[in-house]
Amino acid sequence: GQNIDQPTEMTATEGAIVQINCTYQTSGFNGLFWYQQHAGEAPTFLSYNVLDGLEEKGRFSSFLSRSKGYSYLLLKELQMKDSASYLCAVSSGGSYIPTFGRGTSLIVHP
Amino acid sequence: KAGVTQTPRYLIKTRGQQVTLSCSPISGHRSVSWYQQTPGQGLQFLFEYFSETQRNKGNFPGRFSGRQFSNSRSEMNVSTLELGDSALYLCASSAMGQGENGYTFGSGTRLTVV
Repeated sequence: GQNIDQPTEMTATEGAIVQINCTYQTSGFNGLFWYQQHAGEAPTFLSYNVLDGLEEKGRFSSFLSRSKGYSYLLLKELQMKDSASYLCAVSSGGSYIPTFGRGTSLIVHP
Repeated sequence: KAGVTQTPRYLIKTRGQQVTLSCSPISGHRSVSWYQQTPGQGLQFLFEYFSETQRNKGNFPGRFSGRQFSNSRSEMNVSTLELGDSALYLCASSAMGQGENGYTFGSGTRLTVV
């Protein structure tokens, strides 16, 4: 099986930078995904990492270290609308079906 | 293009009843996956259908079943409902299975079992 750990909750200030960490234990790693989910809404896809390093997409960046079983999502220039749950998901084995972490609830305050 | 459509949005059922949920994926997408989301367990994988065949299955009891039609629309059925089945059921659409473009999720069906 897989074990995915993320902090339960984080708070940050509007305009600041926040880093949400995700650690995982798995065999046959295929890729790591980040999703954003606003309260009462569907998760939306943010990023995909399959190789080590940083992937940048506008205000959001995602980093992966396969040897350490570690990823982070970096959010810059935080806005109030970034208040949401951020889900880390790891795909492994032949099925490519991702296992999701329980999510990190990010609260952005003025 | 139209997104992933799940119906109904909300449902209240009594213990012991059965329920059928529907999901229409994005046009052209052949893979439909179903997830159960609860506050305590997060997103748990139920099953994946691809071209009318169940390709993968999660660790849920046989009361949970599904199918996919030739137009890629999918249904999932839960029989003999239990209180613990109360959850948000999410359908995820992708062309071939989750890859570098991830899933597109529907808005979900919130099932309450009383």
